[in-house]
Amino acid sequence: GAVVSQHPSWVICKSGTSVKIECRSLDFQATTMFWYRQFPKQSLMLMATSNEGSKATYEQGVEKDKFLINHASLTLSTLTVTSAHPEDSSFYICSARFPGTEAFFGQGTRLTVV
Amino acid sequence: GEDVEQSLFLSVREGDSSVINCTYTDSSSTYLYWYKQEPGAGLQLLTYIFSNMDMKQDQRLTVLLNKKDKHLSLRIADTQTGDSAIYFCAESLTSGTYKYIFGTGTRLKVLA
Repeated sequence: GAVVSQHPSWVICKSGTSVKIECRSLDFQATTMFWYRQFPKQSLMLMATSNEGSKATYEQGVEKDKFLINHASLTLSTLTVTSAHPEDSSFYICSARFPGTEAFFGQGTRLTVV
Repeated sequence: GEDVEQSLFLSVREGDSSVINCTYTDSSSTYLYWYKQEPGAGLQLLTYIFSNMDMKQDQRLTVLLNKKDKHLSLRIADTQTGDSAIYFCAESLTSGTYKYIFGTGTRLKVLA
């Protein structure tokens, strides 16, 4: 199957700093990428959907100024958590798809804000 | 609205069959999926079923879909300790961006 790679796998940052997470589709062109957040022992909650070259569509309750999403190319989307706080600590997972296929998931990024 | 529910926990003995259930609300789903997540890891696609099917078998996995009742199940035959994980069902919506809605997850524990 297609491969989606996230980087980094885990990151620790200080409160108030920004963190960027990358999501790459390695062997296909992803027209759409999705960003999810997962709290411990909970399900995945969709944060936003991004289509290459256009602005991301955020789910209700997700702050677009805090979680900046860029999908500048067909193989790369980035999620930047700005001015991170401890409550932003979570597991972030991206997925990518192109028309006619299911979504392929990255391995996730564990963010810890201290 | 979109809502996908699962029982939270299931415990079985090694060698027995496991059945994980899922109910969903959006009748326009085209595909329904089962994913496995091991601790600290991403999602592994196990199997999926198209909405006009009622059963799909893939080696030890059997998926049953009752579209009328909006009920999906995953049966794992001859469950092994390596099957211990969290299992998520997900529906793919037909409108807009075809986003996935995930269930609450079922934690499967296999006892040796």
